[in-house]
Amino acid sequence: EAQVTQNPRYLITVTGKKLTVTCSQNMNHEYMSWYRQDPGLGLRQIYYSMNVEVTDKGDVPEGYKVSRKEKRNFPLILESPSPNQTSLYFCASSLGLAGGSTDTQYFGPGTRLTVL
Amino acid sequence: LAKTTQPISMDSYEGQEVNITCSHNNIATNDYITWYQQFPSQGPRFIIQGYKTKVTNEVASLFIPADRKSSTLSLPRVSLSDTAVYYCLVGLDNDMRFGAGTRLTVKP
Repeated sequence: EAQVTQNPRYLITVTGKKLTVTCSQNMNHEYMSWYRQDPGLGLRQIYYSMNVEVTDKGDVPEGYKVSRKEKRNFPLILESPSPNQTSLYFCASSLGLAGGSTDTQYFGPGTRLTVL
Repeated sequence: LAKTTQPISMDSYEGQEVNITCSHNNIATNDYITWYQQFPSQGPRFIIQGYKTKVTNEVASLFIPADRKSSTLSLPRVSLSDTAVYYCLVGLDNDMRFGAGTRLTVKP
């Protein structure tokens, strides 16, 4: 089954304790991205990756890191989490066709992170 | 990036047709219009995409006027399970942004 998986689905941690949220897709997609969703703010893009070893900042990258060593994986790293990073996080992937009109994004189930 | 404006919320009743309009006055020539649906505690899901005129699939229709400064997502005969947040995105490829969306509540 074509899907985007995220782990963990729920995480409660404390300020300053490094954590990683994993994201994996099995659709051989070039493009992957991370979003955070907060009440009243919709989804905001954190980082995205056009291909392996190619990553770039989205709209709210502060406090986050990503890596794209393999095509299928795109982990989100919080080196020193703070309470304002408490949010619902989504990973997404798409074909990444340049100039494509039907580049649908497929989203993972979400990771609810609470930073105390 | 073209900014989009949608109503914050809408209410409807089962069996009715629902039309959600999105305004995107500064849409660029090459931009496409895409709608996503999001249920509580799930990631958004693609519904429909179009460039101009009308697009229809098994889930919805998308109406785009000639000036492309707005678009309307039409959901025929909604059911309770259509209660969700609907997002309108404008852009090309992956260069699109999600706004706050429209929260549709379908009542019995």
